[in-house]
Amino acid sequence: QVHLQESTPGLVKPLETLSLTCSVSGASMRSYYWSWIRQSPGGELEWIGNIYYSGSTKLNPSLKSRLTISIDTSKNQFTLRLTSVTAADTAKYYCASGVVSTYFESWGQGALVTVSS
Amino acid sequence: SFALTQPPSLSVAPGETASIHCGGDNIGSKGVQWYQQKPGLAPVLVIYYNVDRPSGIPERFSASNSGNTATLTITRVEVGDEAVYFCQVWQTTRDPVVVFGGGTKLTVL
Repeated sequence: QVHLQESTPGLVKPLETLSLTCSVSGASMRSYYWSWIRQSPGGELEWIGNIYYSGSTKLNPSLKSRLTISIDTSKNQFTLRLTSVTAADTAKYYCASGVVSTYFESWGQGALVTVSS
Repeated sequence: SFALTQPPSLSVAPGETASIHCGGDNIGSKGVQWYQQKPGLAPVLVIYYNVDRPSGIPERFSASNSGNTATLTITRVEVGDEAVYFCQVWQTTRDPVVVFGGGTKLTVL
């Protein structure tokens, strides 16, 4: 059973960089695709992107210019960095995994991120 | 860009059947997933690849996909099924992207 746990950055100021780390247990990082998904205060889900253990990524085109997803298999972690954040980036951020890239079998509990000065 | 449309709400009585629809252009040609999200919790995968159930998901949950509409069906609805249900596809374009529907709030009266 894959267990995922997001770090909790909490409050981020506008135009700064949001960084989130997902810690993975119960699974080999080589066996899954690792994803970030966010949920707006209104409840809509938005896929941010994914990464494979090789470092290969697929990123949401709407966020691509501000987005980096990286992986550290030695630490069983993968990381999201989103630059130049605005209030529109306020959301609950989930890390998730799947044996294929097309769906998400396991989810973290989510980390609430608020962008505000 | 590809969009998935869901009705915002649906109400059913306990023991009845709930049918939650997800509309999209030729969605029948894609693999559709369904997630259940209860308040304060992360979404849970209940259907993948149109019709398959992960282990632990009751047989009361089933789904179909054809033409421009995918449907999640929950038979013998229970109070514990009250949740928001999201459909999801993987859109294979030049830049592949995951698309979610807006969610349907199922209320069990």
